[in-house]
Amino acid sequence: EPEVTQTPSHQVTQMGQEVILRCVPISNHLYFYWYRQILGQKVEFLVSFYNNEISEKSEIFDDQFSVERPDGSNFTLKIRSTKLEDSAMYFCASSEFGTGVANEQFFGPGTRLTVL
Amino acid sequence: QKEVEQNSGPLSVPEGAIASLNCTYSDRGSQSFFWYRQYSGKSPELIMFIYSNGDKEDGRFTAQLNKASQYVSLLIRDSQPSDSATYLCAVNIASYDKVIFGPGTSLSVIP
Repeated sequence: EPEVTQTPSHQVTQMGQEVILRCVPISNHLYFYWYRQILGQKVEFLVSFYNNEISEKSEIFDDQFSVERPDGSNFTLKIRSTKLEDSAMYFCASSEFGTGVANEQFFGPGTRLTVL
Repeated sequence: QKEVEQNSGPLSVPEGAIASLNCTYSDRGSQSFFWYRQYSGKSPELIMFIYSNGDKEDGRFTAQLNKASQYVSLLIRDSQPSDSATYLCAVNIASYDKVIFGPGTSLSVIP
């Protein structure tokens, strides 16, 4: 069964460093998302992406964040200068038709980011 | 600010009982409603979605939607210890490609 994959599973970085989290969405999906979940808190929407453009972004997704689909298979989230409060689990998701009526998002296993 | 609210729990039910999980949302224009299950340290896993008023059944799970009351629920029949997890309600925001999640309800099924 097709699945979303994410690498690395765990990333440790120093405050102020740049990190890139990678995702490979399901191959026929066209809509891509990033979410984060701080330990013990709810899943928070960061950004949606379609046709090589950001569709929506949350207040969390400030200038320190960027997304890219550098080739036909990868979807990346970059954090330019990490802060302690960026420590969280980051989930990538993909969807065939977007999050409108009855469209399922498939989640990857997540990358745990630890900022020291 | 669009919100999704859930009772945080924990909700404890004996094995074989019915577990009832509730969710309310603030965006009247929302069209799609999702229930996810999340085990500790794992990613959300879709259980079912609903977009029409009324009930939708899938095996032991029944989702109920009442758009007038802005309320969606999930019933789990014949609860099993393996159902012990956090259940996340998620709602699509009208006219946007965006889903927001509630804080989740922790369910514990006692053998």
